[in-house]
Amino acid sequence: QKEVEQNSGPLSVPEGAIASLNCTYSDRGSQSFFWYRQYSGKSPELIMSIYSNGDKEDGRFTAQLNKASQYVSLLIRDSQPSDSATYLCAVIASGGYQKVTFGIGTKLQVIP
Amino acid sequence: GAVVSQHPSRVICKSGTSVKIECRSLDFQATTMFWYRQFPKQSLMLMATSNEGSKATYEQGVEKDKFLINHASLTLSTLTVTSAHPEDSSFYICSPGRQDQDKAFFGQGTRLTVV
Repeated sequence: QKEVEQNSGPLSVPEGAIASLNCTYSDRGSQSFFWYRQYSGKSPELIMSIYSNGDKEDGRFTAQLNKASQYVSLLIRDSQPSDSATYLCAVIASGGYQKVTFGIGTKLQVIP
Repeated sequence: GAVVSQHPSRVICKSGTSVKIECRSLDFQATTMFWYRQFPKQSLMLMATSNEGSKATYEQGVEKDKFLINHASLTLSTLTVTSAHPEDSSFYICSPGRQDQDKAFFGQGTRLTVV
């Protein structure tokens, strides 16, 4: 069983729409959850982190966490072509900096 | 976030040669260094974890004699791919860390192509 699961996509949305990216994880003890954006040929960059149930908003990005369902999502409002990238869901199992487990990533394409 | 410098960004080498990749943590002392690799259309896979001054711990399936990791200081770690083969061609990324840090930051990555 994969520890962090994502649909690899591609997910295509028109410019200005809301892009919804989803992720599930298997370790119920996981405590820290992240979304990274990775452009082709580049390293991942952190865009959102979330640690408690509910929503966390930062600009056009909203992360949602539901620990009971072991589900974390990322919403991107007013999607722009520059948002086209692969979005990696990442999980740390326990407190402190430990091994990070990544999902395969969802490729997002924002169509102008 | 942490400032991480990884070099080189791209390297092409001949099969059988060795390649050294450097990762520097510029603005904090990294007691731990994580090395990942990423094959095309796949996720980042942890290769090994090293703690400053001690031997690295390798993930299952990663040959410790092939991927030599040195973490001699809190700001520098190196990964040497020895006797590289075409199947070692990948994107290698470092991620420095310490116990009070709860996010992962990455170097710029090194695209290794073995011909």
